[in-house]
Amino acid sequence: AQKVTQAQTEISVVEKEDVTLDCVYETRDTTYYLFWYKQPPSGELVFLIRRNSFDEQNEISGRYSWNFQKSTSSFNFTITASQVVDSAVYFCALSEAGYSTLTFGKGTMLLVSP
Amino acid sequence: ETGVTQTPRHLVMGMTNKKSLKCEQHLGHNAMYWYKQSAKKPLELMFVYNFKEQTENNSVPSRFSPECPNSSHLFLHLHTLQPEDSALYLCASSQEAGYGELFFGEGSRLTVL
Repeated sequence: AQKVTQAQTEISVVEKEDVTLDCVYETRDTTYYLFWYKQPPSGELVFLIRRNSFDEQNEISGRYSWNFQKSTSSFNFTITASQVVDSAVYFCALSEAGYSTLTFGKGTMLLVSP
Repeated sequence: ETGVTQTPRHLVMGMTNKKSLKCEQHLGHNAMYWYKQSAKKPLELMFVYNFKEQTENNSVPSRFSPECPNSSHLFLHLHTLQPEDSALYLCASSQEAGYGELFFGEGSRLTVL
């Protein structure tokens, strides 16, 4: 069975601080996909990134970066120089190859204050 | 116009009412999904449709009845709901079931009195 754990329920930072959101996953499959989604107050989940299990290269997109480590089954997300607009709930999710569904973590609420 | 549109955005209903949630996607996708998001719980998959055929029902009570008349539209018919069914119901679509990332709508916030 697959499982995603986001141990941080809520994180509060001040603008311009760096913040890392943790994600630990469990799966028996060797082929799987990991995702991060952002849910702003409007409710819509916004896709941020998808990473397959064979690609362990870290990725950077602007102020966002992701650290994928299979050895620790983690897929952490870092926001550099956080901004108030980054305030949202962030979800990590896992999909096993051949399955149509995502297993989501419980989400981490990030509050960035001015 | 957003890729996935859900209506209504907010719905309040009594336990004996019958109502429906509507989802429409403008992305040319072939798979559509209903998810339930309750407070303090992970998102729960409810139903999956692939090319209009239901491919997954995640043990959802029969008081929730999905309908997918075509690949662009998805409905969730609600009847005799319980207060614990109050939640945010999110619709999503993808290229095909199991392929491509999910694109979500903004959700329908349901309150059952």
